[in-house]
Amino acid sequence: DVKVTQSSRYLVKRTGEKVFLECVQDMDHENMFWYRQDPGLGLRLIYFSYDVKMKEKGDIPEGYSVSREKKERFSLILESASTSQTSMYLCASSRFSGGYTFGSGTRLTVV
Amino acid sequence: SQELEQSPQSLIVQEGKNLTINCTSSKTLYGLYWYKQKYGEGLIFLMMLQKGGEEKSHEKITAKLDEKKQQSSLHITASQPSHAGIYLCGAVMPRDTGGFKTIFGAGTRLFVKA
Repeated sequence: DVKVTQSSRYLVKRTGEKVFLECVQDMDHENMFWYRQDPGLGLRLIYFSYDVKMKEKGDIPEGYSVSREKKERFSLILESASTSQTSMYLCASSRFSGGYTFGSGTRLTVV
Repeated sequence: SQELEQSPQSLIVQEGKNLTINCTSSKTLYGLYWYKQKYGEGLIFLMMLQKGGEEKSHEKITAKLDEKKQQSSLHITASQPSHAGIYLCGAVMPRDTGGFKTIFGAGTRLFVKA
């Protein structure tokens, strides 16, 4: 059963902490994405990557960075977490022309 | 995304009733995906539509893409409590700067009353 795995379902972090969200896919997909989902705003793209070591900014990259050292792993980094970054974070992967497969999500709370 | 309008925002139906969710764009879509999300969980792929006039069904859920490829509807027949969740449409459309992008609607929250 192919899937996208996010390392944590729930996280609570303090303001100013550096936060790492990990995502691993086992489908050999080229593309990987990080979204955040907030009520009334839907899914907003933070960053995406179409190849190892390649990354592109999405619609809301401020306050975030990403790392893709291996094809199967795409990490989202919050350099200095703020309460405005409390959200549901969803990772997805796809082939170049295919639909997305999503992970189960990480609900991050910054206090 | 305002480029992709989804309606209604929420829906409460009695078990056994039919319902329809719509997803509309002002631009021609190159692919339209429907996903379902259980509350607090990730998105599960339901169906993909690419051709104008295309219709697909899975169990009691039917999705259609209109001939102009600008609107899609998701229809659930004889709704059940297991259908409850958030339904999101995702669409592939051209970027203003070239290439393509995938954007998502804001979602429709479906509640099914037993």
